[in-house]
Order: sequence, then structure tokens, then C-alpha cells
Amino acid sequence: AQSVTQLGSHVSVSEGALVLLRCNYSSSVPPYLFWYVQYPNQGLQLLLKYTSAATLVKGINGFEAEFKKSETSFHLTKPSAHMSDAAEYFCAVSPNTGGFKTIFGAGTRLFVKA
Amino acid sequence: DTGVSQDPRHKITKRGQNVTFRCDPISEHNRLYWYRQTLGQGPEFLTYFQNEAQLEKSRLLSDRFSAERPKGSFSTLEIQRTEQGDSAMYLCASSRDGLEAFFGQGTRLTVV
Repeated sequence: AQSVTQLGSHVSVSEGALVLLRCNYSSSVPPYLFWYVQYPNQGLQLLLKYTSAATLVKGINGFEAEFKKSETSFHLTKPSAHMSDAAEYFCAVSPNTGGFKTIFGAGTRLFVKA
Repeated sequence: DTGVSQDPRHKITKRGQNVTFRCDPISEHNRLYWYRQTLGQGPEFLTYFQNEAQLEKSRLLSDRFSAERPKGSFSTLEIQRTEQGDSAMYLCASSRDGLEAFFGQGTRLTVV
């Protein structure tokens, strides 16, 4: 069984500040992990993915995430927030055994203050 | 390639009516997924196709819901006798071999 917990339903940062969105996962098999971003009334766009290669994964728009097996975490970071980063962010997990079902967290809404 | 396309983008229907949504995946993606997303929640898995075969259905998918992918290309999701609780965003996604899923923009259903 797999699950994802995103810590904090809302995160607010100032423009230019560090962005840290937290994600912990549970998986009975080695996982693939993903971060998606969703803008209002839009579908989900993939930011980055971990597929058992490098533990530090770089994605689009300056985001990166680090897979920490000992902590079962996959936190998303960005050194400097932009106003355009304001959106909903979802962490997701799927099994790496060719699994077909991705499980999503409840999401974290990021607010960026000018 | 224009990505995953969903139609319609919005649907308002009266309770008890039937509705059908269409999803056109990225061409040559063999896997297609339907998710449901309610306000303030992440997407919840509904069902999955590999080519034309429906391989898994969530327990969320009641008997009023049916999905098809007749030729392994586009898919339809039908909801019969809609209820207010069916109001949600219905998302379709596709992938090649189950790795990275590409999502459509969704169909927002409002049952009044």
C-alpha cells in the first residue's frame, strides 16, 4: 500500500524567499515520486520526478527535491520564490514495479507575498 | 502533439441526468487514467486502461460510473443518474508505460 502526506495545506512566503514544501510517503515497494503543480482551473503539470537514479532531482522553474529514504521524505524546494510560483502543489507516489496507479497527496497551496 | 485533451471543459447538469466526458490522450500513449478531484483535495484515482483493457477500477467508482476506451485511443467516462456528490473536476491523464503521467485540463462537473 502507498500513501502520501503533505505537511501544511497552506504555505506563505515572501517574494525572493526560500520555498519549502514538505512531503512524506509510505510505500511497501521502492517508489517513484513526483511533484506536480496546478494553477486554478487547470490540469496538473509535472515539476519533477524521482525514479531511483540521483536522489537530488532538479525540475522545471528552478524547483528541486531530494529523496531521503531514511526519512521517507521528498521535500520540494526553490531558493527564491517568484510571484508566478503561487499555485497548488501535489506530491505523488507510484510503485516502481511498473505500477499504474499514482497516489496523490492532498496538496499544499503556496502563496507568494510581494 | 497537443497534449491530453478533455471535452467538455465545463458541464452543468440536473440531478438524475446522465453525462459523458471524453478524453483524447497523447498519441501512442498506451496508458490512460481517470481521476476525480474535489475542492481542496488531491486527485483520486478512478480507473485505468492499458490500451483498450480496463485493468483496475477504484472502489470510488460506483455502478453509476462506466468508462470505455474502445480502440485503445480516446476514452469516455459516463455517469448515470448524477447526484450532487458527483460534482467535481474529472481529470484524464495518459502515459507511456506507466511512468510520467500527462494530465488534461479537466472537465468540471456541477450537478444542480
